[in-house]
Amino acid sequence: KQEVTQIPAALSVPEGENLVLNCSFTDSAIYNLQWFRQDPGKGLTSLLLIQSSQREQTSGRLNASLDKSSGRSTLYIAASQPGDSATYLCAAQGGSEKLVFGKGTKLTVNP
Amino acid sequence: GAGVSQSPSNKVTEKGKDVELRCDPISGHTALYWYRQSLGQGLEFLIYFQGNSAPDKSGLPSDRFSAERTGGSVSTLTIQRTQQEDSAVYLCASSLLPGPGLSTDTQYFGPGTRLTVL
Repeated sequence: KQEVTQIPAALSVPEGENLVLNCSFTDSAIYNLQWFRQDPGKGLTSLLLIQSSQREQTSGRLNASLDKSSGRSTLYIAASQPGDSATYLCAAQGGSEKLVFGKGTKLTVNP
Repeated sequence: GAGVSQSPSNKVTEKGKDVELRCDPISGHTALYWYRQSLGQGLEFLIYFQGNSAPDKSGLPSDRFSAERTGGSVSTLTIQRTQQEDSAVYLCASSLLPGPGLSTDTQYFGPGTRLTVL
């Protein structure tokens, strides 16, 4: 059974700082690894999807990496801004198509 | 184009009543998923529909939960005889699915329905 863990559960940083969010998964037989953002009271917004054959994906100030062999993914946010404050979720997708989510990292970027 | 929509956005009900939650996926998306997010918990998979295939119901927590997808589009999640532990945000997502066993496209989520059972 796939289990996804995110560390830390919460993170508070000053504006402008670069930061890394961590995600680990127990079953390396995945199709892809996805990172989402969730704002309070709202649904999920997809940020990046890394296929199992890929090592990383980039979108603007975001970079996500995937190491299947070690069961790890990281989300790197460069030059953080207060608008980046949200909960970040990673999810692994395996053969059953469903996403298995971590519990998220709540990020606060202070002005 | 329009994203995934869900209704109602909020639902308050009394214990023991039945509720229906609706999801309108993105047009053309063949795969539809229901998830549940309870307070302090991660998102939990409930059920998955893909085309005309039998749905994957492996995540449904009890037989009080059921879902259907009519005409390959709109889906309804029904909870019978609601309990207080059913209180959660119910999220629907849809995606393109090239074929069985192939990696899917990104799942696009709706805003969710917040269910409160008193």
